[in-house]
Amino acid sequence: AQTVTQSQPEMSVQEAETVTLSCTYDTSESDYYLFWYKQPPSRQMILVIRQEAYKQQNATENRFSVNFQKAAKSFSLKISDSQLGDAAMYFCAYGGGNTPLVFGKGTRLSVIA
Amino acid sequence: NAGVMQNPRHLVRRRGQEARLRCSPMKGHSHVYWYRQLPEEGLKFMVYLQKENIIDESGMPKERFSAEFPKEGPSILRIQQVVRGDSAAYFCASSHWGDHQNIQYFGAGTRLSVL
Repeated sequence: AQTVTQSQPEMSVQEAETVTLSCTYDTSESDYYLFWYKQPPSRQMILVIRQEAYKQQNATENRFSVNFQKAAKSFSLKISDSQLGDAAMYFCAYGGGNTPLVFGKGTRLSVIA
Repeated sequence: NAGVMQNPRHLVRRRGQEARLRCSPMKGHSHVYWYRQLPEEGLKFMVYLQKENIIDESGMPKERFSAEFPKEGPSILRIQQVVRGDSAAYFCASSHWGDHQNIQYFGAGTRLSVL
């Protein structure tokens, strides 16, 4: 069974600085997808970024980028120029095509003004 | 294009009552997933449905819980004889048939409180 591990329960970052959130996963599949979701206090789950495992190039969405290391089964999220609105729970998730997602336990990110 | 709609947002039930949670997927989406989130935890998969079919219910408790996604109308997650341990946030997500990229769009969730 696939598992997703987020080893940092809490992280903090100064406004305008950069922070990296860690995620590792375990799978025997070769083709899959990885996701980072953001959950602000409203509890809405918001897709931040997605990576396709067969693509070597790291995904980027504006200030958000990932470091995908397939051999190491690592998928970290980098947030650049952190803003107060980035404060939230961040969940790493794994999924195949049209299959249920497996989530990590989350990292709570605080942004300090 | 409206997003995934869940209602109610908050639901309070007494022990032993029934809870019905509704989810309308995004327009054109035929896959629905239900997840449960306990306090300070990540989301845990419960059940995966397509129209009129349950595809995977491996994460759903065998007793008291059921789910459906009829040909017409929203998907329903039903919890009979609720207990305090059922208190959680329940999220629904939908995706497009044939979307092998597995992009799931989430509703805002239903927070169930059992007194």
